[in-house]
Amino acid sequence: NAGVTQTPKFQVLKTGQSMTLQCAQDMNHEYMSWYRQDPGMGLRLIHYSVGAGITDQGEVPNGYNVSRSTTEDFPLRLLSAAPSQTSVYFCASRILAGRNTEAFFGQGTRLTVV
Amino acid sequence: AQSVTQLGSHVSVSEGALVLLRCNYSSSVPPYLFWYVQYPNQGLQLLLKYTSAATLVKGINGFEAEFKKSETSFHLTKPSAHMSDAAEYFCAVTGTGNQFYFGTGTSLTVIP
Repeated sequence: NAGVTQTPKFQVLKTGQSMTLQCAQDMNHEYMSWYRQDPGMGLRLIHYSVGAGITDQGEVPNGYNVSRSTTEDFPLRLLSAAPSQTSVYFCASRILAGRNTEAFFGQGTRLTVV
Repeated sequence: AQSVTQLGSHVSVSEGALVLLRCNYSSSVPPYLFWYVQYPNQGLQLLLKYTSAATLVKGINGFEAEFKKSETSFHLTKPSAHMSDAAEYFCAVTGTGNQFYFGTGTSLTVIP
């Protein structure tokens, strides 16, 4: 059971480039989400999805797009990378059986924008 | 609205000493609370969670946390620190919209 898989683990982009961070889970979880982690700021929610075809914005959505065509996959797109998007990105999933269910996290993608 | 506050961004303890990491929450609904641990260059791993079944919750690696409604707290403790406990610890609460709200984290250093 792989859990939540993120690719790539590391990425360096030039300002203005685009890329997609991949996230896949094999636990049949309805809820998937993307966070960014910055020093001293904890984890901040970027976008989330409660099922295929349904996405919504989190706390810091600007500069990021998402889509959810299948239950398993939830890619995060940076259309025009900016240095402010240098961060560590985490994908998480959880079952939607109530507020007491835990989230499962991927290993993270460390992104540097130069 | 839901939020958590972690007091102390850095905590240092000697090996074998008590570990106490503080978390206070704010919630407009009965809270469900979680502690996660993050080892260097890794993702977050669940340590324990409070789901209203019992106020004292035991987790992995000898950690436990006590839910105190009167103090709106959910502090994480471990009687005796090990070197392997050095990591970043996050407290979180779930909101009405299924989101997790994380604290800013506490970095634990264990001194040999």
